[in-house]
Amino acid sequence: DAGITQSPRHKVTETGTPVTLRCHQTENHRYMYWYRQDPGHGLRLIHYSYGVKDTDKGEVSDGYSVSRSKTEDFLLTLESATSSQTSVYFCAISAAGNTEAFFGQGTRLTVV
Amino acid sequence: DQQVKQNSPSLSVQEGRISILNCDYTNSMFDYFLWYKKYPAEGPTFLISISSIKDKNEDGRFTVFLNKSAKHLSLHIVPSQPGDSAVYFCAASADSWGKLQFGAGTQVVVTP
Repeated sequence: DAGITQSPRHKVTETGTPVTLRCHQTENHRYMYWYRQDPGHGLRLIHYSYGVKDTDKGEVSDGYSVSRSKTEDFLLTLESATSSQTSVYFCAISAAGNTEAFFGQGTRLTVV
Repeated sequence: DQQVKQNSPSLSVQEGRISILNCDYTNSMFDYFLWYKKYPAEGPTFLISISSIKDKNEDGRFTVFLNKSAKHLSLHIVPSQPGDSAVYFCAASADSWGKLQFGAGTQVVVTP
């Protein structure tokens, strides 16, 4: 299994509070991604990173920000959580020149 | 607008028989296609992929077929086993790295 650790694994938070999810990899892969999984939508890309401090938006980036200060860590922040952000969040990594992405175990986030 | 579509949300198949999962796409820029398998409470795991320059790729019990003119791909699992019961996601990429568009998934149940 690829060395990807997501934390926390489960979180319940209140509407309007900030939340940060962490993804840590030990594979030294260049690319990192945050996806969310919702019924009927599969997985949708939120943000991705192609190197330290190099990030870009995916298809559902509104309400989310990311940071990557080290190769191994990719943080996803919900600045002010809303109920529509209740979802399962997956971090993924891929090596340069390789389309196969490897996924973490996921974080189940509930916004009440 | 979903560019990768899996129109069958579920599939039930008997153990030992063939499972056929279908996927359609609309973006002609996609040049790499992947299938992922997902068990509950786990992250998706990579199963098999195919480049747009091929029309078939085989790996053990899993075969993926690509019909570019129809913008259609399928995954065949032969023979189906109980451990194959999972959600299967079709994904596509227009880059040479792991920024993926996913279908909504197909739940496969293999019955004894």
